[in-house]
Amino acid sequence: AQTVTQSQPEMSVQEAETVTLSCTYDTSESDYYLFWYKQPPSRQMILVIRQEAYKQQNATENRFSVNFQKAAKSFSLKISDSQLGDAAMYFCAYRSWQGGSEKLVFGKGTKLTVNP
Amino acid sequence: GAVVSQHPSWVICKSGTSVKIECRSLDFQATTMFWYRQFPKQSLMLMATSNEGSKATYEQGVEKDKFLINHASLTLSTLTVTSAHPEDSSFYICSSRQGGSNQPQHFGDGTRLSIL
Repeated sequence: AQTVTQSQPEMSVQEAETVTLSCTYDTSESDYYLFWYKQPPSRQMILVIRQEAYKQQNATENRFSVNFQKAAKSFSLKISDSQLGDAAMYFCAYRSWQGGSEKLVFGKGTKLTVNP
Repeated sequence: GAVVSQHPSWVICKSGTSVKIECRSLDFQATTMFWYRQFPKQSLMLMATSNEGSKATYEQGVEKDKFLINHASLTLSTLTVTSAHPEDSSFYICSSRQGGSNQPQHFGDGTRLSIL
């Protein structure tokens, strides 16, 4: 079974600084997708960025970028120029297709605090 | 695009009551929707996959008779918690995917269920 591990329960960063959230996963599949979701206090899950496993190039969305290391099964999220609105729980997620059914497996999350 | 609406956002009811939660894809058709449960300070756990016009697929350990799922149309899936008890109190979130397998899941705002 696939597992997703986020080893940092909490992280903090100063406004305008850069922070990296770590995520590792375990799988025997070769084709899959990885996601980072953000959950602010409002509790809605918001997609931050995604990465296709077959792509070697790291995904980038404005201030958010990933460092995808497929061999190491690592998928870290870098937030540049951190803003107060970035404060939230961040969940790393792995999506697999097994027997024609889709499954999204989440890590336990990292709580990010942004200090003014 | 890809807006998922969930209703109600918060419900409080007495033990023994059955509660229905609706999940709607507002601007796209979804043959598949997903239901998750999130305990306080925990990650999202997939409960079941809801398929339009057919029976839902439940994850191991999830009681089918306790959590009834109906996916009557391409834009609506419902989760009914039958004879709810205090241990069913949790945050329930639905999601859906617009388009093909390369698209991410989009989440509803969630429903906070409190059973007294």
